[in-house]
Amino acid sequence: GENVEQHPSTLSVQEGDSAVIKCTYSDSASNYFPWYKQELGKRPQLIIDIRSNVGEKKDQRIAVTLNKTAKHFSLHITETQPEDSAVYFCAAVYNQGGKLIFGQGTELSVKP
Amino acid sequence: DTAVSQTPKYLVTQMGNDKSIKCEQNLGHDTMYWYKQDSKKFLKIMFSYNNKELIINETVPNRFSPKSPDKAHLNLHINSLELGDSAVYFCASSQSLAIHYEQYFGPGTRLTVT
Repeated sequence: GENVEQHPSTLSVQEGDSAVIKCTYSDSASNYFPWYKQELGKRPQLIIDIRSNVGEKKDQRIAVTLNKTAKHFSLHITETQPEDSAVYFCAAVYNQGGKLIFGQGTELSVKP
Repeated sequence: DTAVSQTPKYLVTQMGNDKSIKCEQNLGHDTMYWYKQDSKKFLKIMFSYNNKELIINETVPNRFSPKSPDKAHLNLHINSLELGDSAVYFCASSQSLAIHYEQYFGPGTRLTVT
């Protein structure tokens, strides 16, 4: 069925450390994987995405990797800052209707 | 300029009532969505519309009825509200149904049913 598993559910790091969030998806036909950041009381906002024809994508301190064989993808945040504290959601697209299936979310806390 | 807007921001109502949430996007997008975010932060798609046509209709009670008067608006009407309907409802839009277009979310409507 349509499922995206996300781990860990909570993650606490010291400022300057790296943070890694991992997701797995069930449908091998999925070919687009966005990551959204949701600050407390705010809307989810896209921070990075990756298509299935690419194995890795970087944008400053954020990178996403994709392993299509294993149906895994991960978010890497380097040099974390307190303003990175938020809930992060991975997602995978199922079918052509733009249907996003979200992971359960990871609450990242960056301690100064 | 607000890209995706929703009204109201907060909605407190009693069980059994009927309520509506309105959503508007000024991005010129063809596709709009409704998501429900429960108390555990889980985000789940409910409906999507493309150019006023219903595309996705997840397993949602038929007390929930979306309406798209034009492609810039997607409203959500809920009949006979239940305690379990309490959640944050997000509207979103994307340029088209093509999968790689970013979905832009509205600010959310926090619905509390007492």
